Amino acid sequence: GENVEQHPSTLSVQEGDSAVIKCTYSDSASNYFPWYKQELGKGPQLIIDIRSNVGEKKDQRIAVTLNKTAKHFSLHITETQPEDSAVYFCAARFTGGGNKLTFGTGTQLKVEL
Amino acid sequence: EAGVVQSPRYKIIEKKQPVAFWCNPISGHNTLYWYRQNLGQGPELLIRYENEEAVDDSQLPKDRFSAERLKGVDSTLKIQPAELGDSAVYLCASSPMTGAGLYNEQFFGPGTRLTVL
Repeated sequence: GENVEQHPSTLSVQEGDSAVIKCTYSDSASNYFPWYKQELGKGPQLIIDIRSNVGEKKDQRIAVTLNKTAKHFSLHITETQPEDSAVYFCAARFTGGGNKLTFGTGTQLKVEL
Repeated sequence: EAGVVQSPRYKIIEKKQPVAFWCNPISGHNTLYWYRQNLGQGPELLIRYENEEAVDDSQLPKDRFSAERLKGVDSTLKIQPAELGDSAVYLCASSPMTGAGLYNEQFFGPGTRLTVL
């Protein structure tokens, strides 16, 4: 089955700095890679996603890059703000699994003033 | 538009007791998922429904867990009897009808936090 590794598990940055979270996946047939933000006491919320036929996607302060050869993808948050503090999960969907997502173990991001 | 609704939000029970969780997906979403999220981990799929049909229940511990979605709308997940290791957050998600090549976003509910004593 699919396996997704996520690093780092915790990340602390100063407000205004950039944050980068990295994930690797095991199944080369994976074709969809969403990123979710989960705030305390809430369910995960999709913030950005990328398909396997695209190398990079950007939405305002967040961007995702995908390297299919190396089987890794990254989340980039620029100009971080205190409200970016949350747990971020990457996920991968492999073609043999319907719409089944395999999630990483999460990154606790803390943006300090 | 209302999001995915789950109840209860919190549940504390003693081991060996039964427990049930309810989910109402976003209107019009044919696909419904139940996930379990252990502390400090990402969500893990338990079961996926397409309308009223369970199309993937390979990760559901069938000796004690059961689920139903009788009319293809809301769903119930049950544990009987509960064990200490079942303590977790149970998340429900929904998405529009999936199909080959589709990348439908999954919308998550707030979850039910279960504590088994």
